[in-house]
Order: sequence, then structure tokens, then C-alpha cells
Amino acid sequence: EVQLVESGGGLVKPGGSLRLSCEASGFTFSYTWMTWVRQAPGKGLEWVGRIKSKTDGGTTDYAPPVKGRFAISRDDSKNTLFLQMEGLKTEDTAIYYCKTRLWYAPGSLSGDYWGQGTLVTVSS
Amino acid sequence: EIVLTQSPGTLSLSPGERATLSCRASQSVSGSYLDWYQQRPGQAPRLLIYSASSRATGIPDRFSGSGSGRDFTLTISRLEPEDFAVYYCQQYGDSPLTFGQGTKVEIK
Repeated sequence: EVQLVESGGGLVKPGGSLRLSCEASGFTFSYTWMTWVRQAPGKGLEWVGRIKSKTDGGTTDYAPPVKGRFAISRDDSKNTLFLQMEGLKTEDTAIYYCKTRLWYAPGSLSGDYWGQGTLVTVSS
Repeated sequence: EIVLTQSPGTLSLSPGERATLSCRASQSVSGSYLDWYQQRPGQAPRLLIYSASSRATGIPDRFSGSGSGRDFTLTISRLEPEDFAVYYCQQYGDSPLTFGQGTKVEIK
């Protein structure tokens, strides 16, 4: 069974830092692209960024509002995804979800999986 | 960045009725790489449709997606009580990936 479990959320002051983790199980983590999505209270979904598998280059992409402040990384030996957040702003307050998509063949989706989310609150 | 605009913002319908949700992109979506998600209160989103028209595993056939280029549609043929929720489109053809602002389907 695929499981994604986020941790590390909490209350942080504006300008502060926080590191979120997402522990994965039930699939071959090292082969899989991983994504962070967030949702501010009462608002819509916002894509934060993604990291490709090392076999696909291991590169990262970010949404403009977080580029230069957030960094996504992965530890394939621990099946864990990270989101390092620096220079936090009040508008970064949101539930942060990690997610992934698994394919059993090109163009044929096996599943789309989300964690339960972790709440980050940026407030003085 | 591709901006996705969903309409209407809110759709008020009765169970058994047909729902038609629209997602318009500011530029053509590469490969028709467009998803539709459903989100119920307090839950993570659930993928309904990927690649514009392919139903995800376990999704009832009353959900269908269509479209290409800039215009995409999610149709729910006959609304069940559990379908009243918020629906989002997302394009994954170009980075940064982007979501629409959502359409709320509410009980009339």
C-alpha cells in the first residue's frame, strides 16, 4: 500500500525557516518524481514544486512565489522527501501536501497519491 | 506560466442533474496534459481524470473529461450526493504546473 506521511509543520515567525519531511512507503521511491502542493486556509490548491528522480536528472522546479526561498530535496536511502522553507511570509500559511504519481506503463496511470498534509502557520 | 480559469465559480444543482465544468487555459496545454481533481471538505484532493479524458482507477463512469488545446470540460452525467464538492483542473504540460481556482458544486 502506498503511503505518504508528512511531518514538520508548525508555527513560525515571519522571516523564519522550517523543514518539512514526507516519508514514503509502498513503492520504489528512488524511481519516482515527487511534488509539493499547498492549500491556504479556505483557498484553492497551489503547486509548490517538484523533484525528478535521479535517473531523470534529479532536477527541481518551483512555482514563482517560492522560487529562491524554498528548496526541495530527497534522500532515496531513507525514502524521504524534504521541503526546506526559508524567508517565510504570512502568505505561506497553508497545509502542505506531498504527492506522487505512479505509472505502470507510459500513458497508463497506476495511481495518484497524496499525504494527509501538514499545517504551516506563519505568524508573529 | 499557464493560467487556468475555471467556470462557473459555483454550480448549484440537484442530485440526478448533469454538471458541466469548464477549464480554460491562457495558452495551449502541451500534450493535453490536464487533470481534474475532486476535493471534499477536510480531505486531500482525489484525481478523477488525467490527460484530459482518461479516468483514474476506481472513478465511476459518470465522470468524463474532454477537450484539447485551451478548452477542457469535466462532465458529471448524473450527480450523486457524494459528488457535491470542489473541483480543480491542473495542467502538467509546462512548468510551473498550475491549478485553476476551483468550481464548487453545491446542492440546490
